[in-house]
Amino acid sequence: DGGITQSPKYLFRKEGQNVTLSCEQNLNHDAMYWYRQDPGQGLRLIYYSQIVNDFQKGDIAEGYSVSREKKESFPLTVTSAQKNPTAFYLCASSATTSGMFSSSYNEQFFGPGTRLTVL
Amino acid sequence: QKEVEQDPGPLSVPEGAIVSLNCTYSNSAFQYFMWYRQYSRKGPELLMYTYSSGNKEDGRFTAQVDKSSKYISLFIRDSQPSDSATYLCAMSAMGWGSQGNLIFGKGTKLSVKP
Repeated sequence: DGGITQSPKYLFRKEGQNVTLSCEQNLNHDAMYWYRQDPGQGLRLIYYSQIVNDFQKGDIAEGYSVSREKKESFPLTVTSAQKNPTAFYLCASSATTSGMFSSSYNEQFFGPGTRLTVL
Repeated sequence: QKEVEQDPGPLSVPEGAIVSLNCTYSNSAFQYFMWYRQYSRKGPELLMYTYSSGNKEDGRFTAQVDKSSKYISLFIRDSQPSDSATYLCAMSAMGWGSQGNLIFGKGTKLSVKP
């Protein structure tokens, strides 16, 4: 089955700890994304990566770090510097399109999410 | 003013009703407009996608984009209890690169009662 997997489904963290959320895709997509979802806030972009060994900060990158050593994998580390990490974390991936003038859109496929709770 | 505004609801309708969900936006550069459906504790899934202005129909679902008013809508006909979910609008300036990053609304929680 092709798709995106995230693990673990639920994660509990003590204050001051770093934790790493896993995201793997077998869709052969170049681009991968991490979002955070809070109640009433919608999805906010944390980091994204258009290609292996390159990634960019999104709107709320402070307190988070990522790596993109393999095309299939884009792990997210929530560091102790993130003051309010309790949230639902979603990973997504998409193909990338060459050509500036295009009416096509590369759908972002989402994983099932990881719910992180700080104790 | 936020880039994308969406009424969070909740919205409760009887089975068979026509549902109208809406978003407004401020960035005139947006060209790609999406509606995602998210069931509780699951990841969002793409429901409808529209490029630029116009209407798009897919079964019971119709997406409308009015760029002159910066207003998009999703209509659900003959709503079913299985349509109960949170509906997120999303949009981007381009289909690729950093400007293709999605800006999401907050989502509208819909409940269809049998």
